[in-house]
Amino acid sequence: AQKVTQAQTEISVVEKEDVTLDCVYETRDTTYYLFWYKQPPSGELVFLIRRNSFDEQNEISGRYSWNFQKSTSSFNFTITASQVVDSAVYFCALRAAGNKLTFGGGTRVLVKP
Amino acid sequence: ETGVTQTPRHLVMGMTNKKSLKCEQHLGHNAMYWYKQSAKKPLELMFVYNFKEQTENNSVPSRFSPECPNSSHLFLHLHTLQPEDSALYLCASSLNSRGRDRGGTTQYFGPGTRLTVL
Repeated sequence: AQKVTQAQTEISVVEKEDVTLDCVYETRDTTYYLFWYKQPPSGELVFLIRRNSFDEQNEISGRYSWNFQKSTSSFNFTITASQVVDSAVYFCALRAAGNKLTFGGGTRVLVKP
Repeated sequence: ETGVTQTPRHLVMGMTNKKSLKCEQHLGHNAMYWYKQSAKKPLELMFVYNFKEQTENNSVPSRFSPECPNSSHLFLHLHTLQPEDSALYLCASSLNSRGRDRGGTTQYFGPGTRLTVL
């Protein structure tokens, strides 16, 4: 069975601070995919990134960066120089063989001006 | 329109009503999903359709009845719901290949329908 844990339920920062969201996953499959989604107040889940289990290279996209460490089963997400528009709930998710996407409980990020 | 759309965006219904949620994807995908998002609970997968065939029912009560007439449209028919069914219902789609699925396809989500059952 798959499991995703996002230990931080809520993080509050002041604008321009960096914020790191933790994600720890469990799976017995050797091939799997990890995802991050953003859910703004409007409700829609916005896809941010997909990473497969064979690619441990870290990735940077603008102010977003992801640190994938297979040894610790973690896929952490950092927002650099946060902005008010980054306020949202962020979900980490895992998908192994099959269609089922297993989500973590989400981390609410509140960026104050 | 682009992406995944859902209607209505908000719905209030009594326990004896019958209503339907609609989802439409404009991405050329062949798999569609219904998820339920309740307060204080993780996102729960309800149903999966691959190439118009239901491939997963995650122990969902029969008062929720999905329908997938084609690969672009997905419905969720609701009847005799309970107040605890109040939630955000999200639709998603992805492009899957026939045969063994390694799970690599990305699911794209609609904006959801906020359902309140009185």
